Amino acid sequence: GAVVSQHPSWVICKSGTSVKIECRSLDFQATTMFWYRQFPKQSLMLMATSNEGSKATYEQGVEKDKFLINHASLTLSTLTVTSAHPEDSSFYICTSQHQETQYFGPGTRLLVL
Amino acid sequence: DQQVKQNSPSLSVQEGRISILNCDYTNSMFDYFLWYKKYPAEGPTFLISISSIKDKNEDGRFTVFLNKSAKHLSLHIVPSQPGDSAVYFCAASFSGTYKYIFGTGTRLKVLA
Repeated sequence: GAVVSQHPSWVICKSGTSVKIECRSLDFQATTMFWYRQFPKQSLMLMATSNEGSKATYEQGVEKDKFLINHASLTLSTLTVTSAHPEDSSFYICTSQHQETQYFGPGTRLLVL
Repeated sequence: DQQVKQNSPSLSVQEGRISILNCDYTNSMFDYFLWYKKYPAEGPTFLISISSIKDKNEDGRFTVFLNKSAKHLSLHIVPSQPGDSAVYFCAASFSGTYKYIFGTGTRLKVLA
């Protein structure tokens, strides 16, 4: 099946720094990717839809200036958590649709100290 | 407001028996539903889906049932195997979109 990769899988950073997470579709082209976030014991929550060559669309309550999304190519979307704070610590996961199935990346666990 | 709910956080089943995982939703406009399986340290993987025009979809050991009037779906795994031990998420969407609303997951443990 199709493969979506994420990098890094784990990141620990100091409060106030920015963190970039990459999401790649390895064997298919993805004009649209989705970014989700999951806090402990909660469900995956959609943050934004990443559109290749255009601006991302954000879900209600998600700050677009804090979570910068860039989808510069058909195989890469990046999520940058700017000026990260401890409350941003979470599990971030990207997905992409391919042939009627949505494929998930393995996720990135972010810990902000 | 949790639109998709999985009220059982965990379930233990003996190997060879049936596992039944349940999912309820509140928005009657949802018309496409999926189940995902997630192993530790891995991303979720697609398991099975069902559209609202059906009330049952079967794929090998996995069957999903949809009861639209009750806004309820369930995943049946029979016979259950130890390798099925994972967290199972149900998700719902509106047709024509690829944005999904996820439940909180049910951790299934199949005992050998």
